Amino acid sequence: GAGVSQTPSNKVTEKGKYVELRCDPISGHTALYWYRQSLGQGPEFLIYFQGTGAADDSGLPNDRFFAVRPEGSVSTLKIQRTERGDSAVYLCASSLIPLAGGQETQYFGPGTRLLVL
Amino acid sequence: GQQLNQSPQSMFIQEGEDVSMNCTSSSIFNTWLWYKQDPGEGPVLLIALYKAGELTSNGRLTAQFGITRKDSFLNISASIPSDVGIYFCAGLDNDMRFGAGTRLTVKP
Repeated sequence: GAGVSQTPSNKVTEKGKYVELRCDPISGHTALYWYRQSLGQGPEFLIYFQGTGAADDSGLPNDRFFAVRPEGSVSTLKIQRTERGDSAVYLCASSLIPLAGGQETQYFGPGTRLLVL
Repeated sequence: GQQLNQSPQSMFIQEGEDVSMNCTSSSIFNTWLWYKQDPGEGPVLLIALYKAGELTSNGRLTAQFGITRKDSFLNISASIPSDVGIYFCAGLDNDMRFGAGTRLTVKP
């Protein structure tokens, strides 16, 4: 399809396990964003990529969270030693150019629902 | 954590009624955005505001960027059942900050 896709759509894991969440942005979009959305809350910024590099990772909660975008397209969010508090919907978004107050729209994927038991 | 205060938290209205929701911030933002999120989906952009004082419409939706750059409101006129969902404001500076959302229920 033409939109942002995320896999898996749902992930159930046990506390302490490692998980990877994948995001396929819209083709040609240089900017890619990861957000975390807890129940009843708005999305919370995690990390932003411009091309292959992480331009801003200030939203990552701790060093158990890591994300890569090796070829400037697909991105993987990696969570080590998962905790129950990591349970949330992880949203990915992409934009043609970086937002930074410009006239560009950000397109969200449907999210990955992560449940840590 | 989030810096935006969005209200009301939820609204229950009759079809045909007008709706108003707002967002305030302790920080100045260069851009205000309003999104709608349906269950199981990501947020979809409704309106973007780029200048203080700007008033922008998109169909039955109207949004304004406050003069102080610390607030914004969204109005929906003549609501219909498909307006049901969660509406989020977002402020953009160096990164995006979202409000906690307004859950709208429209009774036919």
